[in-house]
Amino acid sequence: EVKLEESGGGLVQPGGSMKLSCVASGFTFSNYWMNWVRQSPEKGLEWVAEIRLKSNNYATHYAESVKGRFTISRDDSKSSVYLQMNNLRAEDTGIYYCTRDPYWGQGTTLTVSS
Amino acid sequence: DIQMTQSPASLSVSVGETVTITCRASENIYSNLAWYQQKQGKSPQLLVYAATNLADGVPSRFSGSGSGTQYSLKINSLQSEDFGSYYCQHFWGTPYTFGGGTKLEIK
Repeated sequence: EVKLEESGGGLVQPGGSMKLSCVASGFTFSNYWMNWVRQSPEKGLEWVAEIRLKSNNYATHYAESVKGRFTISRDDSKSSVYLQMNNLRAEDTGIYYCTRDPYWGQGTTLTVSS
Repeated sequence: DIQMTQSPASLSVSVGETVTITCRASENIYSNLAWYQQKQGKSPQLLVYAATNLADGVPSRFSGSGSGTQYSLKINSLQSEDFGSYYCQHFWGTPYTFGGGTKLEIK
């Protein structure tokens, strides 16, 4: 059974940093592209970032809204994908989902507020 | 970036009715489209991939159609468990944009 379990959300002040983690199980992690998607009442569902495979030199792609502030990474030995988020803004508030087509985790909530 | 325009934003329907939700892409996405259902408090679940293919375990009352820039999700004979929100998402290159969603409510 494929499982994706996110962690690391919480409350952070504007301008602060947070790192989200996602541990995967039930499949060969190193064979799959991994993504982060977020959801907020204001913006709905928003794709955030993608990281590809070692054979793709771990190529990454980002939504324009997070480019330069967020960094996606992976550790295939730990079946984990991460999202380092810096210079956080109120509009980054939302539920962050780790996804591996077609599976989604349950999400972790980030609140950016003073 | 490709924009996805989904309509309607909300629908109030009765059990047994048939509904159609549409997504229009701002450019040709060559059927690289998925439909998701989301229940309150849960993560989205895949219904349809590659525009017309039902995901495993999805009832046959759901169907996807379309090509080019126009796509539709049809639900025949709506059941009570079908109420919730529906989203389209394209996969024709990043950013993988979502539609704005359709909230399906009981009349």
